[in-house]
Amino acid sequence: LAKTTQPISMDSYEGQEVNITCSHNNIATNDYITWYQQFPSQGPRFIIQGYKTKVTNEVASLFIPADRKSSTLSLPRVSLSDTAVYYCLVAEGNTGTASKLTFGTGTRLQVTL
Amino acid sequence: NAGVTQTPKFRVLKTGQSMTLLCAQDMNHEYMYWYRQDPGMGLRLIHYSVGEGTTAKGEVPDGYNVSRLKKQNFLLGLESAAPSQTSVYFCASSYSFGTSVGKNIQYFGAGTRLSVL
Repeated sequence: LAKTTQPISMDSYEGQEVNITCSHNNIATNDYITWYQQFPSQGPRFIIQGYKTKVTNEVASLFIPADRKSSTLSLPRVSLSDTAVYYCLVAEGNTGTASKLTFGTGTRLQVTL
Repeated sequence: NAGVTQTPKFRVLKTGQSMTLLCAQDMNHEYMYWYRQDPGMGLRLIHYSVGEGTTAKGEVPDGYNVSRLKKQNFLLGLESAAPSQTSVYFCASSYSFGTSVGKNIQYFGAGTRLSVL
């Protein structure tokens, strides 16, 4: 399976916009890209999901190019409480096979004053 | 609304001992999953279930067994624990898997931290 890769860590100041990219060059044709946030000692929780182009909700935006081989999670005006690990999740290969669900390696975001 | 509940939260085992991790969800989800999380490795799928009475292997199934006798419960068993199974284990559930927007969002439990000495 092609690996789903993300930067290991990122640093940001409070109030800045943060963009985290996930590379997934073997994504299944018909499946969605989902991003999760994880705080220490907690399970991941859903942030945003998209299939193509751009999706926006109350906490983030997700940008997906036409070839869908990558995606970028955008967090506007981050605060200290956004310090967490962010994961992308894609299905690789043939859609509908949960065994090919692949989480990215995770990006540790540290926000400081 | 409890969501996904995992028990126990912590456990220490000796090599060769057995144990069962319990996952319970109250969202009437069909799909349930067991992951392990290790430093620098992200989350890796161990086993999953697409419905009551069915289970399937994920990416790293060796050394684990699972059962889904009731829709709301998914059990992960270690028959003979090894130090390599020291990890944090997460259970998750989703309404479905695949292309339906929003339907395949996974909801996670708080995790079980397991140490095998």
